[in-house]
Amino acid sequence: GESVGLHLPTLSVQEGDNSIINCAYSNSASDYFIWYKQESGKGPQFIIDIRSNMDKRQGQRVTVLLNKTVKHLSLQIAATQPGDSAVYFCAENMNVQFYFGTGTSLTVIP
Amino acid sequence: ETGVTQSPTHLIKTRGQQVTLRCSSQSGHNTVSWYQQALGQGPQFIFQYYREEENGRGNFPPRFSGLQFPNYSSELNVNALELDDSALYLCASSPGTGVSTEAFFGQGTRLTVV
Repeated sequence: GESVGLHLPTLSVQEGDNSIINCAYSNSASDYFIWYKQESGKGPQFIIDIRSNMDKRQGQRVTVLLNKTVKHLSLQIAATQPGDSAVYFCAENMNVQFYFGTGTSLTVIP
Repeated sequence: ETGVTQSPTHLIKTRGQQVTLRCSSQSGHNTVSWYQQALGQGPQFIFQYYREEENGRGNFPPRFSGLQFPNYSSELNVNALELDDSALYLCASSPGTGVSTEAFFGQGTRLTVV
């Protein structure tokens, strides 16, 4: 099956700093990716998506970068806030399903 | 708020029992996918329903089954519950079934099997 991995299981950042969460994917044919945020006891929340014909996409305070050459995604969060504390997943779309990694836990230190 | 609602929010069942979980998709969405999320893990795909038909299945045994109704709501049924079935069950709603189609999740049903 497909695998989606994350480089770091945990990340701590100071409030106001920028956060970068990384993700590696295994299938070069994957052409759609979503970043999700999951708070404790809740379902995954859609943050931002990117298609393989793009290498960068920006949202409100978030930017996703896609490097197809090395099969790598990153999520950048600007001016990280305490409300950003959560587990972040990248999800790789193949056929009808999404493949998720184990997630990165982001902790924002006030 | 995604508009995807799941019920119940929590459930405790005994090993060997059967359980039915329910999901209402977001308005305008005709595709529902179910995922199982074990503690500390990412969600794993169980299956997808599109226009009342199963449209893809992950690596789950046949005792995991589902239905989709004409209003696009869906049920997940699990028979002969095992302790390892304890997990958060997530429903994701999509506007279609093609690749590059976004998926929006509900809050999940926390199932505990004792």
